[in-house]
Amino acid sequence: GAGVSQSPSNKVTEKGKDVELRCDPISGHTALYWYRQSLGQGLEFLIYFQGNSAPDKSGLPSDRFSAERTGGSVSTLTIQRTQQEDSAVYLCASSLSTGQQETQYFGPGTRLLVL
Amino acid sequence: GEDVEQSLFLSVREGDSSVINCTYTDSSSTYLYWYKQEPGAGLQLLTYIFSNMDMKQDQRLTVLLNKKDKHLSLRIADTQTGDSAIYFCAEREAGRRALTFGSGTRLQVQP
Repeated sequence: GAGVSQSPSNKVTEKGKDVELRCDPISGHTALYWYRQSLGQGLEFLIYFQGNSAPDKSGLPSDRFSAERTGGSVSTLTIQRTQQEDSAVYLCASSLSTGQQETQYFGPGTRLLVL
Repeated sequence: GEDVEQSLFLSVREGDSSVINCTYTDSSSTYLYWYKQEPGAGLQLLTYIFSNMDMKQDQRLTVLLNKKDKHLSLRIADTQTGDSAIYFCAEREAGRRALTFGSGTRLQVQP
């Protein structure tokens, strides 16, 4: 596709349920990022994938959060036993990751509401 | 850890210049970015500046970097109503790929 796509665009779930958020990066982009944007806040880094290297998980807020990237393309962010404080917009970005300067292209996000 | 701060809100009249300010704490920042977020949309990269530069101009946009004071600004000339959005400052630390974002400045352009 032309840009980064994410699904679903909106997700409402009940506290305690698991959710899966999907990201389709731009074709050919080797780097993929997940960020979280809580209401009125800036973006908070969650996890980063680069090719076949081990992901940088340093931003994951708890062990309820996990992500995988299959075949170096599509990524899924999973939140287990969701809590109300998990409500946020989850943004995915991808980049070519060449050279020092890399432009991260963002998807439209998934708006998650935990009731 | 690193921290990026921005003022929350700026209101200007159409045709005036807008200046959005950002301060950061990480002295090892390599690149600094300005992103624009319109309602219901993802983030759009506006411009970026390398840390060894003082200024970068791109059409109506001028970025100024004061590395000594760790201060970054974005000037939008001849501001239009279509410029109304939230503007995020972000920095990339040396050796790290992820960006650290400020909380965003909401720019309101009054006709």
